[in-house]
Amino acid sequence: GENVEQHPSTLSVQEGDSAVIKCTYSDSASNYFPWYKQELGKGPQLIIDIRSNVGEKKDQRIAVTLNKTAKHFSLHITETQPEDSAVYFCAASKGGSYIPTFGRGTSLIVHP
Amino acid sequence: EAGVTQFPSHSVIEKGQTVTLRCDPISGHDNLYWYRRVMGKEIKFLLHFVKESKQDESGMPNNRFLAERTGGTYSTLKVQPAELEDSGVYFCASSATANTEAFFGQGTRLTVV
Repeated sequence: GENVEQHPSTLSVQEGDSAVIKCTYSDSASNYFPWYKQELGKGPQLIIDIRSNVGEKKDQRIAVTLNKTAKHFSLHITETQPEDSAVYFCAASKGGSYIPTFGRGTSLIVHP
Repeated sequence: EAGVTQFPSHSVIEKGQTVTLRCDPISGHDNLYWYRRVMGKEIKFLLHFVKESKQDESGMPNNRFLAERTGGTYSTLKVQPAELEDSGVYFCASSATANTEAFFGQGTRLTVV
């Protein structure tokens, strides 16, 4: 089955810095890669996603990149703000299924 | 519009006891999913309902776990008898179709002592 590795497990940055979270996946058939943000006391919320026919996608301060050959994908957050502090999960799925395999999560702390 | 709601938000039970978690999906969502996150690890898929039918229960860890969705509305996940390793956060999610975004509830934190 699919295996998703996520690094780092914790990431501490100063407000205004950039943050990068990296994931790898094992199943070359995976074609959909969502990213979730989980704030304290809430469930994971989809913040951005990318499909395998696209190499990069941007939405304001967040961007995702995908390298299908290397089976890597990354989340980039620029100009971080304290409200970006949360646990971020990457995930991978295939065949149009919306049952993704998740990474272990990255706890992002943005210091004001 | 109400989102996915889960009850209770937190449950502490003793080993060997029974606990029932409840999930109310977004109204009209036929697809309902249960997931679990053990501390520090990945969110793992448990099972998927389409209306009242179990579409995929490949993630259910063992027969101490029983999920139901009578009438295709809310769902319950019963753990009987609970073991220490069942501790974690149980998430429910729902989606309109199997290929559209799934929305998560806030989770139920289960602690077995």
